[in-house]
Amino acid sequence: SQTIHQWPATLVQPVGSPLSLECTVEGTSNPNLYWYRQAAGRGLQLLFYSVGIGQISSEVPQNLSASRPQDRQFILSSKKLLLSDSGFYLCASYRTQETQYFGPGTRLLVL
Amino acid sequence: RKEVEQDPGPFNVPEGATVAFNCTYSNSASQSFFWYRQDCRKEPKLLMSVYSSGNEDGRFTAQLNRASQYISLLIRDSKLSDSATYLCVVNRPSGYALNFGKGTSLLVTP
Repeated sequence: SQTIHQWPATLVQPVGSPLSLECTVEGTSNPNLYWYRQAAGRGLQLLFYSVGIGQISSEVPQNLSASRPQDRQFILSSKKLLLSDSGFYLCASYRTQETQYFGPGTRLLVL
Repeated sequence: RKEVEQDPGPFNVPEGATVAFNCTYSNSASQSFFWYRQDCRKEPKLLMSVYSSGNEDGRFTAQLNRASQYISLLIRDSKLSDSATYLCVVNRPSGYALNFGKGTSLLVTP
């Protein structure tokens, strides 16, 4: 079965600082990869998904960006964080005919 | 209309009770359906897939009504450990992503 790693687990950053969250996947190849955000008390919001290396689709254009430099690596970035970027960031992996697995998430607090 | 809609709850039930959650989805072309469970401050985890004929996994029963675009989850003999948020999930017909409902909160009390 596949395993998804995310780091860091928790992050506190000042407004205006950059961000880089990393996600790596083990136990599968050529997965679709996803970044979600869950604000406090809210549902899951899909931010980006990728169906292959270098292929990124944006669901919600914001001050965030994503990159997929390797098959099983997905990175979420920002040049300048906003207070509204606070939330629980989840990376997920999905293959057709299977189901979607989530990583343990990164809890981001922007102050 | 939202892609997936759920009653947010919370549902407060005593141990041993039977509780049912409902969900509706908007895209009739969707083909895959799931229930996920999310514990407080944790990632969502797959509870069960939902099949057209209905399916059961222990105390959990899922039903799908394609004509009404309606999905349900029944939990029998509720345990304290069932306390969580239950997410209804439906695939996007494009095949690349899933639509998640906002979840229904369940609290099972002694």
